[in-house]
Amino acid sequence: KAGVTQTPRYLIKTRGQQVTLSCSPISGHRSVSWYQQTPGQGLQFLFEYFSETQRNKGNFPGRFSGRQFSNSRSEMNVSTLELGDSALYLCASSGGADRGDIQYFGAGTRLSVL
Amino acid sequence: QKEVEQDPGPLSVPEGAIVSLNCTYSNSAFQYFMWYRQYSRKGPELLMYTYSSGNKEDGRFTAQVDKSSKYISLFIRDSQPSDSATYLCAMSGSMFSGGYNKLIFGAGTRLAVHP
Repeated sequence: KAGVTQTPRYLIKTRGQQVTLSCSPISGHRSVSWYQQTPGQGLQFLFEYFSETQRNKGNFPGRFSGRQFSNSRSEMNVSTLELGDSALYLCASSGGADRGDIQYFGAGTRLSVL
Repeated sequence: QKEVEQDPGPLSVPEGAIVSLNCTYSNSAFQYFMWYRQYSRKGPELLMYTYSSGNKEDGRFTAQVDKSSKYISLFIRDSQPSDSATYLCAMSGSMFSGGYNKLIFGAGTRLAVHP
């Protein structure tokens, strides 16, 4: 069974640009959560989508947004990039048939903002 | 003050040692407690999952949750060099409190097991 797949693995952008990250959950999982990981702040929850609806949201500015498609794949968008947005962005899926409350993480997308 | 406190280490131990990792938390709504292991340049991998208070054992790993003290622990017996990684504690609230899939992480403890 394939795990959580995140693309691309690495991204380099400049300040002011926008970026879109993609996440394909484990087959059968309906919940996708996004996290930001930085050396200073650690792992922080961004938002969670379930059945195409945002169910939970962390304390991040409106520049961070996401969506989920009918096949449960999810995208995350960051607009007007700032240097402080450089981080590892992790996607996690849950909501499978057997252990729906465990989140399985992808390898992440490493974003560098120059 | 952070909701979840975890000593970032680093922690260096000899092979075969017993490792003790801990987290404290302040939010009494947390019901689910997890330990993840993260190798460099990889995503977190779930090690242990516990609901409410109690102990859980899986091979060389034992997780303990004491909700009365708001304290959780992970013990690693017979530690191996391959256990060298960052260990993250994580917690979430109940489905009814709206925090079901919102994991709150500790800072992570970097562990090095040397031969």
